[in-house]
Amino acid sequence: EAGVAQSPRYKIIEKRQSVAFWCNPISGHATLYWYQQILGQGPKLLIQFQNNGVVDDSQLPKDRFSAERLKGVDSTLKIQPAKLEDSAVYLCASSTRTSGITGELFFGEGSRLTVL
Amino acid sequence: AQSVAQPEDQVNVAEGNPLTVKCTYSVSGNPYLFWYVQYPNRGLQFLLKYITGDNLVKGSYGFEAEFNKSQTSFHLKKPSALVSDSALYFCAVRDDSGAGSYQLTFGKGTKLSVIP
Repeated sequence: EAGVAQSPRYKIIEKRQSVAFWCNPISGHATLYWYQQILGQGPKLLIQFQNNGVVDDSQLPKDRFSAERLKGVDSTLKIQPAKLEDSAVYLCASSTRTSGITGELFFGEGSRLTVL
Repeated sequence: AQSVAQPEDQVNVAEGNPLTVKCTYSVSGNPYLFWYVQYPNRGLQFLLKYITGDNLVKGSYGFEAEFNKSQTSFHLKKPSALVSDSALYFCAVRDDSGAGSYQLTFGKGTKLSVIP
């Protein structure tokens, strides 16, 4: 079974530029999550989708971050304009509805963003 | 609000010795508790969970964790450490209210180094 795919793995940009990350979840997983992991901290949920609807985006900085999951499969996370404090690893995870309720998420390898 | 504390940034243990990685939590309702492991340049992997029932839960790769309600702890244990267990370990919690997104709150992580 293929895992969660993310790209790009690494991205370096200057502040005020924009960047986009892509995620393809495990086939059949209805729930998709984007987490931000800053160095030395645990992952923090940015946004959760159930199919193509947003379940929770309470911690998403909406003035600069946006995310979409138009067809209920792939998702894109965008940052515009980027700030220095956005340097982090952006993790995508997916789950079935059941495994999400019991806390078993399947994570991709992450996209590491460096903002200079 | 829910929170997790992992008091040790790093744990060093000799190969073959028992290991413990500590976690304490705070949650308003009954806790759902989880351990995830992150190997270098890899995504997080689910290890085990406590939802209800026996306070000692067993997970992948020989790991187990003990839920202690009075001490609000959920320490990760393994009887005999392997060098391959060296990784970053995250404890996570959510409450059982069933409301909203079932958002997991992660600790900051503990780096486990198993010395040959």
